[in-house]
Amino acid sequence: RKEVEQDPGPFNVPEGATVAFNCTYSNSASQSFFWYRQDCRKEPKLLMSVYSSGNEDGRFTAQLNRASQYISLLIRDSKLSDSATYLCVVNRGGNNRLAFGKGNQVVVIP
Amino acid sequence: SQTIHQWPATLVQPVGSPLSLECTVEGTSNPNLYWYRQAAGRGLQLLFYSVGIGQISSEVPQNLSASRPQDRQFILSSKKLLLSDSGFYLCAWSSTSGGRLLDFGPGTRLLVL
Repeated sequence: RKEVEQDPGPFNVPEGATVAFNCTYSNSASQSFFWYRQDCRKEPKLLMSVYSSGNEDGRFTAQLNRASQYISLLIRDSKLSDSATYLCVVNRGGNNRLAFGKGNQVVVIP
Repeated sequence: SQTIHQWPATLVQPVGSPLSLECTVEGTSNPNLYWYRQAAGRGLQLLFYSVGIGQISSEVPQNLSASRPQDRQFILSSKKLLLSDSGFYLCAWSSTSGGRLLDFGPGTRLLVL
């Protein structure tokens, strides 16, 4: 089983709609979780951390389910500029060694 | 503020040729430094990380090596490139205090022919 698994998509989303996707992780001892955003042919950039109680940043909501070992990201009121690949990231342990999923590709359609 | 540089941005190299990619960080001291590779259709794979000058940890056996000759300089090398070395190479840094997540450089796109 891979460390971090994501359904690559693409997720075609009408502008203004809501889209949600999950990622699963294999190491039950993982403590830190994040979502990164990667635009086409660019480097990944931190979107948000994922806290145990769930957290929201504007139109973005992240949640963690430790029992089932998955993380979710929900985007409300999708904008064209939200089109990107969203990478699920899990901290593997010391020295900030992060494991990345392949990403969920989101395409917002006008 | 901190800035991370990588060069070159794009590189086309023949099989069997050597490789040297450089990464430098500005505006911080004693960072943790990382090399990742993103191959087509695959996720980001951690290749090497370094917690200090001359300290290199390899995550996977491969055709590549890394060096850290100075505090804020991280170099990725190969003596003989393989076709499978093609990919998007990303350098990243984080604070050793752990209070900051990875910031990535702009990356080098390598094509081995």
